[in-house]
Amino acid sequence: AQRVTQPEKLLSVFKGAPVELKCNYSYSGSPELFWYVQYSRQRLQLLLRHISRESIKGFTADLNKGETSFHLKKPFAQEEDSAMYYCALTPYRHMLTFGGGTRLMVKP
Amino acid sequence: NAGVTQTPKFQVLKTGQSMTLQCAQDMNHNSMYWYRQDPGMGLRLIYYSASEGTTDKGEVPNGYNVSRLNKREFSLRLESAAPSQTSVYFCASIETVNTEAFFGQGTRLTVV
Repeated sequence: AQRVTQPEKLLSVFKGAPVELKCNYSYSGSPELFWYVQYSRQRLQLLLRHISRESIKGFTADLNKGETSFHLKKPFAQEEDSAMYYCALTPYRHMLTFGGGTRLMVKP
Repeated sequence: NAGVTQTPKFQVLKTGQSMTLQCAQDMNHNSMYWYRQDPGMGLRLIYYSASEGTTDKGEVPNGYNVSRLNKREFSLRLESAAPSQTSVYFCASIETVNTEAFFGQGTRLTVV
């Protein structure tokens, strides 16, 4: 079975500080990994996915198959980055599995 | 473009009552999902439908049933609500595996 673990429920940083949200996964095949974000009073939405190798809103994430990790990073946090972040994994029989989520708080 | 629409947005039920949460998408997506979101637990998959005419259990299916009525609609039914089912429920749809999931705005359900 596939599993996604986000070890930190809450991450609090000051504006301008680097951010790293951790994500570890277990999956026997070749995974597709995503980061989704939920801003206050907004719908859950895709932030980025590893297959695109893109940077969105200054965030990047690298898939490390050896460590089975897909950590989300940003060099300089902004207050508007405060949100709930979910790491997700697919596919396994079309299942889209999410981690427990990490709430990021960026303090002024 | 409405995307994924869930109804109702809020609901309070008494223990033992039944209800159906509705979800519809207008993007012609093949796969649809129902999740529940609980503090500290993240999003847990209840049921999903990989394509019209098929449904499968997810991580936490007990106490729920689903119907993929057609390609657009995927409903979630609670036959006998319990306080443990108090949660925020999200519906999502995906065109194909590995593509972006689109979410509804959520249904906040309280069972008293």
